[in-house]
Amino acid sequence: EAGVAQSPRYKIIEKRQSVAFWCNPISGHATLYWYQQILGQGPKLLIQFQNNGVVDDSQLPKDRFSAERLKGVDSTLKIQPAKLEDSAVYLCASSHTGYRTGELFFGEGSRLTVL
Amino acid sequence: QKEVEQDPGPLSVPEGAIVSLNCTYSNSAFQYFMWYRQYSRKGPELLMYTYSSGNKEDGRFTAQVDKSSKYISLFIRDSQPSDSATYLCAMSAPYGQNFVFGPGTRLSVLP
Repeated sequence: EAGVAQSPRYKIIEKRQSVAFWCNPISGHATLYWYQQILGQGPKLLIQFQNNGVVDDSQLPKDRFSAERLKGVDSTLKIQPAKLEDSAVYLCASSHTGYRTGELFFGEGSRLTVL
Repeated sequence: QKEVEQDPGPLSVPEGAIVSLNCTYSNSAFQYFMWYRQYSRKGPELLMYTYSSGNKEDGRFTAQVDKSSKYISLFIRDSQPSDSATYLCAMSAPYGQNFVFGPGTRLSVLP
């Protein structure tokens, strides 16, 4: 079974530029999550989708971050304009039934450096 | 006080040692408790999942939850160099609510 795919793995941009990250979840997983992991910290939820609807985006900085999940499969996370403090690893995860079992399957992450 | 706190580490132990990793939390509504392992430059992977209080064993790993003390632990017996990773505790209130992750403890098992 293929895992969660993310791209790009690494991205370096200057502040005020924009960046987009792509995620393809495990086939059949209805729930998709984007997490931000700053160095030395645990992952922090940015947004959760159930199929193509948003379940929780309470911690998403909506003035600069946006995310969509078209057709309930792939998802894109965009940052525009980027700030220095956005330097982090952006992790995509998917699960079959939401949080009930705790089984979130994570991708390898997209590492963003903002200069 | 942060919602979930974890021993900061890093922790270095010799191969074969028993390792104890711990987290404390403040939200008494948490009922689901997980331990994730994260290798360098990889995404976290689920190790153990526990609902409410009690112990759970899986091979060399044992998870303990003490809700009265708001304290959870992960024990690793006969630690191996392949156990070298960052261990993240995570917890959640009832179904549908966000999981909160601890900051992680980096473990190195030396051959």
